[in-house]
Amino acid sequence: QKEVEQDPGPLSVPEGAIVSLNCTYSNSAFQYFMWYRQYSRKGPELLMYTYSSGNKEDGRFTAQVDKSSKYISLFIRDSQPSDSATYLCAMGLYGNNRLAFGKGNQVVVIP
Amino acid sequence: GAVVSQHPSWVICKSGTSVKIECRSLDFQATTMFWYRQFPKQSLMLMATSNEGSKATYEQGVEKDKFLINHASLTLSTLTVTSAHPEDSSFYICSGGGGQETQYFGPGTRLLVL
Repeated sequence: QKEVEQDPGPLSVPEGAIVSLNCTYSNSAFQYFMWYRQYSRKGPELLMYTYSSGNKEDGRFTAQVDKSSKYISLFIRDSQPSDSATYLCAMGLYGNNRLAFGKGNQVVVIP
Repeated sequence: GAVVSQHPSWVICKSGTSVKIECRSLDFQATTMFWYRQFPKQSLMLMATSNEGSKATYEQGVEKDKFLINHASLTLSTLTVTSAHPEDSSFYICSGGGGQETQYFGPGTRLLVL
């Protein structure tokens, strides 16, 4: 079983829809969780960082963590064509900068 | 967020030559830098972790003599692909360790070996 599972998609949604992405993980020791956005042929950029179960909002983005179920989600409200990208989940342990990444989920927002 | 640059962004070379890729943290000091490889539609594969002033730690299956990493300062790490072959063609991305355990990624270097 891989450490982090993420359905690669692609996921196509109409503009304005809510995008829902998720990852599951097997290592219950993971302490912090991140979502990165990667545009084609670019490096990933950090979108959200969380470390506790619950929701964290930042503008149109909401990151959700459920440590008991080992499940994290990213929601994008009022999706825009500029949100079309690959979204990678990542997680790690304090004191260890190594991150475990999901495969990435390609999202296409159709105008 | 913190900025990491990479140079070059794109390189084409002949089989058998060596290619050096630079990774710089522009507005923060990166004690630790990471080098990843990414094939099309695949996730990031960690190649090695480098700490300033010490030898890099390579992931299993990554040849340390082929992928030479130098982390001479807190703002610069280099990856040299020695005697490159077509199978080394990939997207190479570096990242610098920031605060709160986050990593800030460079824009990537696309390598094509002919």
